[in-house]
Amino acid sequence: QVQLVESGGGVVRPGGSLRLSCAASGFTFSSYGMHWLRQAPGKGLEWVAVISNDGSDLYHVDSVKGRFTISRDDSKNTLYLQMNSLREDDTAVYHCAKTDCRSTGCRLLEHWGQGTLVTVSS
Amino acid sequence: DIQMTQSPSTLSASVGDRVTITCRASQNIDSWLAWYQQKPGKAPNLLIYKASNLQSGVPSRFSGRGSGTEFTLSISGLQPDDSATYFCQQYHIHLTFGQGTKVEI
Repeated sequence: QVQLVESGGGVVRPGGSLRLSCAASGFTFSSYGMHWLRQAPGKGLEWVAVISNDGSDLYHVDSVKGRFTISRDDSKNTLYLQMNSLREDDTAVYHCAKTDCRSTGCRLLEHWGQGTLVTVSS
Repeated sequence: DIQMTQSPSTLSASVGDRVTITCRASQNIDSWLAWYQQKPGKAPNLLIYKASNLQSGVPSRFSGRGSGTEFTLSISGLQPDDSATYFCQQYHIHLTFGQGTKVEI
């Protein structure tokens, strides 16, 4: 069955960096677009970034543009989120999610991971 | 961005009840709406897609209706395992989420 397991979260100071990973199994990873989403404490879910199945197309929410980068390694069945210049308002649980098709226009989130907590605090 | 407004924020019901959660979009999203269930510390689980289509493996007591700007998720014959937070998501333009409804049994 489809499994998505995030890792890499932790506590970091403002201005610091983290790289989140999402290990995928149970499906042909290279055939699907993938998303990162986040949920800050007490807040609703927010979309963060999307990447097409072949990595050729990617988008990020305005609030993280220039600081976060989504990428993927199909040889390792792994999705990444490189987070630089972290701010306190980036504190959230970060989830990866698999879509139902290939492109960045695929926005139905068929399967999610349980998330990894990122805490940005001085 | 399309805003999604969910109500109620919390719902208390008993085993066997039928409950309904409402999600309203700030503009027309046709039927591009999904519903998810999330339990604490777990991954969200897709229940309904395209407003009324039951995802494979989801019990038939879950149902979705609506189009345009108003949508509902109903659970008939509430079970103890249905205790969770439910949220809607539009995927007509980009993707945005409702704030969630906590169902207590």
